[in-house]
Amino acid sequence: AQSVTQPDIHITVSEGASLELRCNYSYGATPYLFWYVQSPGQGLQLLLKYFSGDTLVQGIKGFEAEFKRSQSSFNLRKPSVHWSDAAEYFCAVGATGGGNKLTFGTGTQLKVEL
Amino acid sequence: KAGVTQTPRYLIKTRGQQVTLSCSPISGHRSVSWYQQTPGQGLQFLFEYFSETQRNKGNFPGRFSGRQFSNSRSEMNVSTLELGDSALYLCASSLQGFEQFFGPGTRLTVL
Repeated sequence: AQSVTQPDIHITVSEGASLELRCNYSYGATPYLFWYVQSPGQGLQLLLKYFSGDTLVQGIKGFEAEFKRSQSSFNLRKPSVHWSDAAEYFCAVGATGGGNKLTFGTGTQLKVEL
Repeated sequence: KAGVTQTPRYLIKTRGQQVTLSCSPISGHRSVSWYQQTPGQGLQFLFEYFSETQRNKGNFPGRFSGRQFSNSRSEMNVSTLELGDSALYLCASSLQGFEQFFGPGTRLTVL
């Protein structure tokens, strides 16, 4: 069974600083990987996805993520954080076979200091 | 295109009652998945429906059930509510593959 680990529960960065959120997955084959963001009281918004091909993927709001098979990682990055980026970020993996089912990590709460 | 809509947005029930939540997917999307989000367990997959058939099911008791209609709208039902069922229930729709679009959720509080 697939699993996702987000080792950082909380991260605080200053506005304008760079950001990297870590995600490690466990899955036997090539995974489908996602990053979602959730603001308080809201649903999940898809930031970016990796299915295959180029290991550096670009998403919305200036985010990017890099798939590293050798490290089983899919870290999310942003070169310059804005105060509006404060939210909770979830990494997820989808497994082939048997329909759509996403397995999520426990999330990383991002706080942005002005 | 309108996004995924969920009704109601907030719900308060008492233990032992049952509840039905509704989800309307994005037009053209035939797959609807349901997730439960709690502070303790995080986001957990409940089930997925595709073309009115349950295609995948998570590890939840039989009190949790769902269905999908011919217009792809979906409902989930929880019978004999327990305090631990208090959660944000999220619905997601998908056109193909795993790219899922989430609704705003229904916040269920069980007293």
